[in-house]
Order: sequence, then C-alpha cells, then structure tokens
Amino acid sequence: GDSVTQMEGPVTLSEEAFLTINCTYTATGYPSLFWYVQYPGEGLQLLLKATKADDKGSNKGFEATYRKETTSFHLEKGSVQVSDSAVYFCALSGGGANSKLTFGKGITLSVRP
Amino acid sequence: GAGVSQSPSNKVTEKGKDVELRCDPISGHTALYWYRQSLGQGLEFLIYFQGNSAPDKSGLPSDRFSAERTGGSVSTLTIQRTQQEDSAVYLCASRREIAGTDTQYFGPGTRLTVL
Repeated sequence: GDSVTQMEGPVTLSEEAFLTINCTYTATGYPSLFWYVQYPGEGLQLLLKATKADDKGSNKGFEATYRKETTSFHLEKGSVQVSDSAVYFCALSGGGANSKLTFGKGITLSVRP
Repeated sequence: GAGVSQSPSNKVTEKGKDVELRCDPISGHTALYWYRQSLGQGLEFLIYFQGNSAPDKSGLPSDRFSAERTGGSVSTLTIQRTQQEDSAVYLCASRREIAGTDTQYFGPGTRLTVL
C-alpha cells in the first residue's frame, strides 16, 4: 500500500538557518504530494502541494519539488524564522476512489531566536 | 468563509462509555473525511463520505467505530464501549471534490481522553 517516510526529528535550528526536511514515498500510479503544517495549538493547514512530476509547490518561502525518479518531496526554506516552529507532515493522495491522505509521522521543528 | 468546525473540542470519558463527535464541513464541500491522530500511530485515515455514495469505511479500526453523514453535510463519528487505546485527536476534513487533487481542509479536532 501507499506509505510516506519522513526523516526523524525533532529538528532545532537557529533563526535564518537553511531548512531541509526529507520526505520519500511509496505509491502506485501518480499520487499528489502535500506538506501540511500544524502550529502550536492550531489545526492542520496545507502548506504546499504538487500534483505531478517535476511540479514545484511553494508558499511562505517554503518549496518542495515532486521528484518521481527519487520518489521524494523534500521541503526546503532558505531562512527560517521563529514563527516557523511547528510540526510538519508530508502526505500523499493516491487519487483513488476516496483520495484519502496517507501521512508521514511528522517532524517537529523548533527555531531559536 | 467559515472553515471546518468540530465539537466538542475536548472530551473526557470513562472506559466503556459511548461518545459522539461532530463535524460541520465547509459549505458546498461534498467530500468528508475522518482521521485520527495518536502518539503511537500518527495520522490515520478512518472513513470517507462522498455525496450520497456508500462511505468508504476501510480505515475504521474496529466495529465499535461508526459514522454517519446526514443530508450530505454534518457528520457524526460514534465510538461505542470506548477503550483507553481510543484516546487520540479525531480530525475531520472536507474537500470540494472537483478533482482528487483538491485540498482537504481540516477542522481543529476533538481531543478524546478515555480514562
């Protein structure tokens, strides 16, 4: 079945540092890929998505590129801020009859001033 | 416009009791999902409703779990004879269902604690 693997956390960075969070997936067919973010005390929010190979999703300075050849969707940001502290989830939707989301385990990012 | 709402925000119950969790999706969204977020299992799909079609119940962990969606809008997730392992945050999400790639919008969740 479909699965998503995220790098182990937590991750602690200093403000303005470069961020990479690795995500790889296993799926049949051509899934859509997503990054969701959960800020402290808030619900899950879509951060960005990509629906086909080589698409780049971007939002709030974050980027991720759908790499079919490496089955990856790594999240990057050039300069993190304290306000980026949150839990980040990589997810895929297989596009089947229900288009349910399959999530990775999530990774907690803490950014120090 | 209003987002997905869920109630209650917190529920504490005793083992063996039944609980009902409610979800109000975004108006006009035809697809509705329930997920569970727990420490041990991460985020798991539970059930999916699409319009008037039969729901996809493939993620429900046991027959103590059931859900319904009345009038194609509000949904209720019912857990009978709750167990301690049911403690989790239950999340509802809705989607427009124009295409499978449409975004799922999540509610704030209901935190269920079974004592």
